Amino acid sequence: ELVLTQSPGTLSLSPGERAALSCRASQTVISNFLAWYQQKPGQAPRLLIYGASSRATGIPDRFSGSGSGTDFTLTISRLEPEDFAVYYCQQYGTSPYTFGQGTELEIK
Amino acid sequence: EVQLVQSGSEVKMPGESLKISCKGFGYTFTNNWIAWVRKMPGKGLEWMGIIYPGDSDTRYSPSFQGQVTISADKSINTAFLQWSSLKASDTAMYYCARHISGYSYTPFDFWGQGTLVTVSS
Repeated sequence: ELVLTQSPGTLSLSPGERAALSCRASQTVISNFLAWYQQKPGQAPRLLIYGASSRATGIPDRFSGSGSGTDFTLTISRLEPEDFAVYYCQQYGTSPYTFGQGTELEIK
Repeated sequence: EVQLVQSGSEVKMPGESLKISCKGFGYTFTNNWIAWVRKMPGKGLEWMGIIYPGDSDTRYSPSFQGQVTISADKSINTAFLQWSSLKASDTAMYYCARHISGYSYTPFDFWGQGTLVTVSS
């Protein structure tokens, strides 16, 4: 099973700051089939990024994804109050299509 | 508008059986894989398995193989997740989610609202 490790576990930042969330895979993610989701309390996850770097429909351009192979990053260029949530990476190239354990982005 | 509407919360006792559902609206249900995802309290998301409603092709995570059964009834645009004998450790929120296309190697673009399953004596 391909294991995804996200870091840090918790990231404390202020609105307006830049956030960088890491997702590292235990083996190469086929075709960079790597997605990022945002989940807020009481809500279902929402797709932000797919294919490592493509933004999903309706996602603001302050969200960007980068990386390839085994190392991937989600960057939020300038944090808005509504961005504080839990973020998960997921690989969908090798079954089972595993998730990382999540990074909680909290207000400092 | 695409929607996945899940059945309501359940409270069950250990050993009981349960079947929860996920009904698709606003698209051709047989054209997209549907996944089930578990979120235990205080934990992250876990991919359980997927089904292609068009032909009921099903794949499971090794962690969930033999523990649950995923099925679908395309005549009513509904996917199901069932347990034959619940344990307290099955207490979790369960989400269904739609793969973007008819290929399983795609991300999830729409999610159900979740079904909370509580197993307690």
